[in-house]
Amino acid sequence: QLVLTQSPSASASLGASVKLTCTLSSGHSSYAIAWHQQQPEKGPRYLMKLNSDGSHRKGDGTPDRFSGSSSGAERYLTISSLQSEDEADYYCQTWHTGIQVFGGGTKLTVL
Amino acid sequence: QVQLVESGGGVVQPGRSLRLSCAASGFTFSSYGMHWVRQAPGKGLEWVAVISYDGSNKYYADSVKGRFTISRDTSKNTLYLQMNGLRPEDTAVYYCAKDGSYDSGVIDYWGQGTLVTVSS
Repeated sequence: QLVLTQSPSASASLGASVKLTCTLSSGHSSYAIAWHQQQPEKGPRYLMKLNSDGSHRKGDGTPDRFSGSSSGAERYLTISSLQSEDEADYYCQTWHTGIQVFGGGTKLTVL
Repeated sequence: QVQLVESGGGVVQPGRSLRLSCAASGFTFSSYGMHWVRQAPGKGLEWVAVISYDGSNKYYADSVKGRFTISRDTSKNTLYLQMNGLRPEDTAVYYCAKDGSYDSGVIDYWGQGTLVTVSS
């Protein structure tokens, strides 16, 4: 079964960097994912598509501070030079034969 | 620029029906798959359904299969979600989203959502 696992919460200081993780279930380590950001009281926003080889395609307006990387079944979103507006929920998403799967989301707190 | 504007949400009693609409602009609507994704209060994102660019393929989450129907009208650049047999657990903000391909793959644009409340 295709499942995405995310830690429920993360925190980092203003100006620092943070690395969020999304883990693909066993047997699905070659799958691409997408990262989405949802700021408080807003709709989600697409950040990037991330492939298993670490290559990624960012969305319109995704700041350069956001980058993606991959290792095995792990997909990472790194945010550098954290700003207050980066405090948000971050979701990973993947797909297979028409069906879409979302991770449970990570709530990022900027200290 | 891509714009997705949902409408049709509201308060409805259990067992009743509701139809959501999503007006799309800023891209060639007939070339892309389209999704509905929902978010219950205080919860994460839950995918609901997807329709391919030409309407030939439709896929649904098990939680809505047999009750919800996704459709599209290319002449109006509009996506629909017909929701029948609504349950309290269907209460959520419903988002319209554009796929990056002709079928079902990466979601690359989102609407702002419309709230559906199922309550007696």
